[in-house]
Amino acid sequence: DVKVTQSSRYLVKRTGEKVFLECVQDMDHENMFWYRQDPGLGLRLIYFSYDVKMKEKGDIPEGYSVSREKKERFSLILESASTNQTSMYLCASSLYTGMGNSPLHFGNGTRLTVT
Amino acid sequence: AQKITQTQPGMFVQEKEAVTLDCTYDTSDPSYGLFWYKQPSSGEMIFLIYQGSYDQQNATEGRYSLNFQKARKSANLVISASQLGDSAMYFCAMREEIQGAQKLVFGQGTRLTINP
Repeated sequence: DVKVTQSSRYLVKRTGEKVFLECVQDMDHENMFWYRQDPGLGLRLIYFSYDVKMKEKGDIPEGYSVSREKKERFSLILESASTNQTSMYLCASSLYTGMGNSPLHFGNGTRLTVT
Repeated sequence: AQKITQTQPGMFVQEKEAVTLDCTYDTSDPSYGLFWYKQPSSGEMIFLIYQGSYDQQNATEGRYSLNFQKARKSANLVISASQLGDSAMYFCAMREEIQGAQKLVFGQGTRLTINP
């Protein structure tokens, strides 16, 4: 089974802090994603990566950056945390299979609170 | 514009009844894929079922089936013989290709509650 591991289940940070959310997958997947989940808004894509050192902006990249130095690891960075970044953050990975069935495999999420 | 719309924020169903969760989508791409995920209170996202735009038959996986109506751009999830363990958030998602990379766009979700 694919395993996607997020380093923290809960995090509490202060406004202005630099925050790192780490994600590791163990199935050699090319694609990795960071989403945030908010009630009533579903999951919104922040950034994704389809190869090492490659990154693409998703729908809500403002205030975030990412790093992918190794294939198995994808980090989300909040340069200066703000209270409106309080949310559940979900990391996911997928195997690229062209246009076929390639579901995302998700981690258990990190609930970040910025005070 | 919203690409995936789930119009039911919450649904309440009696155990053992069938339930349909609605999902409509918007795309001009002739090739796309549709996914349904379940998120229990534990927070994990569980992949349930997939439908490709060129698939001739509706997808089925055990008690889950997808009522795919391409002309109406709808991809409703049907759960037969509901169980208490089906209580969860359910998300519909569509795969789209951006600059050669593929990503999933999610709907707002439907919270399903199964009553005993």
